[in-house]
Amino acid sequence: SQQGEEDPQALSIQEGENATMNCSYKTSINNLQWYRQNSGRGLVHLILIRSNEREKHSGRLRVTLDTSKKSSSLLITASRAADTASYFCATDGQGAQKLVFGQGTRLTINP
Amino acid sequence: DAGVTQSPTHLIKTRGQQVTLRCSPKSGHDTVSWYQQALGQGPQFIFQYYEEEERQRGNFPDRFSGHQFPNYSSELNVNALLLGDSALYLCASSFGGGYQPQHFGDGTRLSIL
Repeated sequence: SQQGEEDPQALSIQEGENATMNCSYKTSINNLQWYRQNSGRGLVHLILIRSNEREKHSGRLRVTLDTSKKSSSLLITASRAADTASYFCATDGQGAQKLVFGQGTRLTINP
Repeated sequence: DAGVTQSPTHLIKTRGQQVTLRCSPKSGHDTVSWYQQALGQGPQFIFQYYEEEERQRGNFPDRFSGHQFPNYSSELNVNALLLGDSALYLCASSFGGGYQPQHFGDGTRLSIL
């Protein structure tokens, strides 16, 4: 079973707008990671946030983590057509040596 | 610096057959994890290999087995294939720990007829 649940399942916005995706999980974690997957390709690691961090930035990406609500959000600012992809959150599931992925958000950036 | 490479890229099998998928990790990585990704779903963890041992296993039957070689490359074997085994099989590598950032290959698309 998958621990994380992304919301929304699909998101379509205009180029230049900001995109926000949310992830909820069920058990305590050591860290939470976000990945991007372009159609037919493997996943690409975007950012890792540890359980004692609340916010992290990387370029146009901003990730927040609220461990009290067991939730995280990924914000992509000034979106580009190349950001069109599926985005997944992944957690380490109570310290297990594995990643548990959600079902993902399909993001479409319209030119 | 080569990333994670997987072979073959596509494979078609029939029910009951056996299949072997291969993975070479990113240079410098010693841990290999395998995932199954059904269409429209997130990846599901199958198992992880470290120091040639299976360190962690997901909820997959014994029909799924694997191996890690001294050069850290890995194989995934699936016996008695079922229609439901049709999926994208992803290999990911990392250094040291299973919940470190994973580097993924582009996967093997397995279709069962």
